[in-house]
Amino acid sequence: KAGVTQTPRYLIKTRGQQVTLSCSPISGHRSVSWYQQTPGQGLQFLFEYFSETQRNKGNFPGRFSGRQFSNSRSEMNVSTLELGDSALYLCASSLGRQGDRPGYTFGSGTRLTVV
Amino acid sequence: LAKTTQPISMDSYEGQEVNITCSHNNIATNDYITWYQQFPSQGPRFIIQGYKTKVTNEVASLFIPADRKSSTLSLPRVSLSDTAVYYCLVGDVDSGYSTLTFGKGTMLLVSP
Repeated sequence: KAGVTQTPRYLIKTRGQQVTLSCSPISGHRSVSWYQQTPGQGLQFLFEYFSETQRNKGNFPGRFSGRQFSNSRSEMNVSTLELGDSALYLCASSLGRQGDRPGYTFGSGTRLTVV
Repeated sequence: LAKTTQPISMDSYEGQEVNITCSHNNIATNDYITWYQQFPSQGPRFIIQGYKTKVTNEVASLFIPADRKSSTLSLPRVSLSDTAVYYCLVGDVDSGYSTLTFGKGTMLLVSP
């Protein structure tokens, strides 16, 4: 079956702009989580969506937001980009239900560079 | 979520067995131990998961002592392609959802 698909693969934006990243989960998976990875901070949890509802959120400013559609596809948006937002943004999908082990499958990520 | 501690880096040679130990002293009763592998500019890839004793699959073994305060990922006969960062995570994956708290991971370098 197809894996987690993230688009675009690479992105270059200018400070102050906004960006939207997309994630298509594995078919049948209803949970989508987003992570930011930087050399300094490592992998950090952004938020998780399940059945179009955000049910968990990490410690990131309000400039970071997301949503999930009825087909489970998810988007995350970063507004007013800062240089520090340059990172690899990863999406992980899972069934999201109790007993779902091992659970999470990651996409290859979107490499965002802010200049 | 239980905090984990792993060595920052390890070196090995092709064909050797590599054991990476992870400490998780405050692991909870419902927590499972999961290991992921990550190559540069790619997403983490699931390797193995366990609750207690020993788990083995086609790529690795996971050893968990009775007190579950640590675990050891064992990679048999590593090759150059096993050079990657390995993450140990602990969490209640049966809760239906959980945020994966990644530590710094262990950078494994396999040399010829």
